[in-house]
Amino acid sequence: GAGVSQSPRYKVAKRGQDVALRCDPISGHVSLFWYQQALGQGPEFLTYFQNEAQLDKSGLPSDRFFAERPEGSVSTLKIQRTQQEDSAVYLCASSALTLGEQFFGPGTRLTVL
Amino acid sequence: ELKVEQNPLFLSMQEGKNYTIYCNYSTTSDRLYWYRQDPGKSLESLFVLLSNGAVKQEGRLMASLDTKARLSTLHITAAVHDLSATYFCAVDVIYESSGDKLTFGTGTRLAVRP
Repeated sequence: GAGVSQSPRYKVAKRGQDVALRCDPISGHVSLFWYQQALGQGPEFLTYFQNEAQLDKSGLPSDRFFAERPEGSVSTLKIQRTQQEDSAVYLCASSALTLGEQFFGPGTRLTVL
Repeated sequence: ELKVEQNPLFLSMQEGKNYTIYCNYSTTSDRLYWYRQDPGKSLESLFVLLSNGAVKQEGRLMASLDTKARLSTLHITAAVHDLSATYFCAVDVIYESSGDKLTFGTGTRLAVRP
């Protein structure tokens, strides 16, 4: 079956623009995670959904970051008024259950000019 | 706050040599993963280690876990160029009422030279 997919793969935004990043998890996976990976660093947790419920958003760096998963499948990470420090790869992962292995998507590379 | 430290951060190895990457973490974990990442690519899961004393091997890579020491190792045997990549360890912890999440180490960039 298909793995986790993300779109777009690359996004260039001017500072101040809003962006929306999409994640399609593996079908039937209950858990969905967003991570941010800055250049040369390890991924850092942003937020976690169990079905449509956002159970943990402790990693979101500011109130400009917002994530949703309204029907418990596809998720969107939205960044408002982008700043240069938002430039990173945004990785989405899904798992079949809590503490299950997380499968990662290819990521979206966001560059803010 | 959970901290995960890897060393070395960068490793240049000669083909055919052996080496070990170390991963230390600061609190009790529920499981530990090793991932491989090639430049511009996503994360590929290599191993998941569940309990103290766990050892897993795949080809030239072997991972082990000592939960009492809060230490995991990734041992490379007779390195080949194809192993050149960045390797991450990640600790998975379950938090009451908020699910689980991975905390990653800083990564070890491995370059295998002829």
